[in-house]
Amino acid sequence: DTTVKQNPRYKLARVGKPVNLICSQTMNHDTMYWYQKKPNQAPKLLLFYYDKILNREADTFEKFQSSRPNNSFCSLYIGSAGLEYSAMYLCASSSWNNQDTQYFGPGTRLLVL
Amino acid sequence: QQKVQQSPESLTVSEGAMASLNCTFSDRSSDNFRWYRQHSGKGLEVLVSIFSDGEKEEGSFTAHLNRASLHVFLHIREPQPSDSALYLCAEGTGSKLSFGKGAKLTVSP
Repeated sequence: DTTVKQNPRYKLARVGKPVNLICSQTMNHDTMYWYQKKPNQAPKLLLFYYDKILNREADTFEKFQSSRPNNSFCSLYIGSAGLEYSAMYLCASSSWNNQDTQYFGPGTRLLVL
Repeated sequence: QQKVQQSPESLTVSEGAMASLNCTFSDRSSDNFRWYRQHSGKGLEVLVSIFSDGEKEEGSFTAHLNRASLHVFLHIREPQPSDSALYLCAEGTGSKLSFGKGAKLTVSP
């Protein structure tokens, strides 16, 4: 089973409110990623967990948090949503080596009003 | 500047006609290159991964990598209307990927 699952699939949030997105995989992958994708833009890596080590990209360091309570689950947390957070959020997982493919979930479409 | 550039931005082909997409990358030392596609409202589906110069075929998808010219192509043989989607190229170093913006392919019946 190469399925990556994401919940919820759609999320409506108010400006200033927190948002928590969930991702899970059962492939025993050691690495899980979160990307943000806006229309007509490339998917942008926000952060990734290698095992229990969180790596956040420098330009989004303060905007997103994440937790990984176990190997299968990873969350993306926005403490105070702004309009600019409206996007598709894609979770992916892989084994951390040069050759392995990242498998993507269906995404969560977040709309901030 | 975008690390990975894709062209064309959109392409329309007739059902059964070969479709070709181009990706230009900036780092010859990248480990791997992958083509993904995204149907509207869906996640990314990996189509083909390629690690060395030459061709790699996966079903109706063929990737062609030329590191010297910094290009990786995707050829879609006999595309169907169901292949209409956004096609994304990604270059990888280790497991970190940098994506292009994508190319919208429309296959008309």
